[in-house]
Amino acid sequence: GEDVEQSLFLSVREGDSSVINCTYTDSSSTYLYWYKQEPGAGLQLLTYIFSNMDMKQDQRLTVLLNKKDKHLSLRIADTQTGDSAIYFCAELTGTASKLTFGTGTRLQVTL
Amino acid sequence: GAVVSQHPSRVICKSGTSVKIECRSLDFQATTMFWYRQFPKQSLMLMATSNEGSKATYEQGVEKDKFLINHASLTLSTLTVTSAHPEDSSFYICSAPQPNPYGYTFGSGTRLTVV
Repeated sequence: GEDVEQSLFLSVREGDSSVINCTYTDSSSTYLYWYKQEPGAGLQLLTYIFSNMDMKQDQRLTVLLNKKDKHLSLRIADTQTGDSAIYFCAELTGTASKLTFGTGTRLQVTL
Repeated sequence: GAVVSQHPSRVICKSGTSVKIECRSLDFQATTMFWYRQFPKQSLMLMATSNEGSKATYEQGVEKDKFLINHASLTLSTLTVTSAHPEDSSFYICSAPQPNPYGYTFGSGTRLTVV
């Protein structure tokens, strides 16, 4: 099947904004998620967006959804060194209970 | 919130031995658990879905006899890597689905090294 695509790597300076992009595959996806994985750890749910929403903001995190283009983005404002991790987008389709994960974006925050 | 406890976090074993990884749902009942494998710098690969009281469902290409999955109770799922070989070295993660919209809750992962 098609992959959920993400860019592999992003480097930003501390204090700047980070934008991580994701192109998903299934137009019938009901929920879309962003997970964070720190080295040697499991995945932590950061935020989610329902498919009938265009935007969701939660403190430093802003999720934008473009259903027409099947494009999802995560903006992290005032990026900190503790934000350095791998970020995965994931889609939950309406026909199954399985999440399909993106390829992951490694965010590096420099001083 | 929902917590999935995964043990051990790290294990080193000799080739030919078997290793058991446990995942427990601590404050909720999990009728389903997903088992993933993650290679360095790669995404998660779904290996199998364990279902309490029935046989696990394996993804295409995953050896059932190599990766034994048991979902013994509503709070415990185990993955046993049998006759482990160095190529089985990887990071294994379990997860349990949560009611919508909360996605999955993940265990902390197990780093398996076979020497």
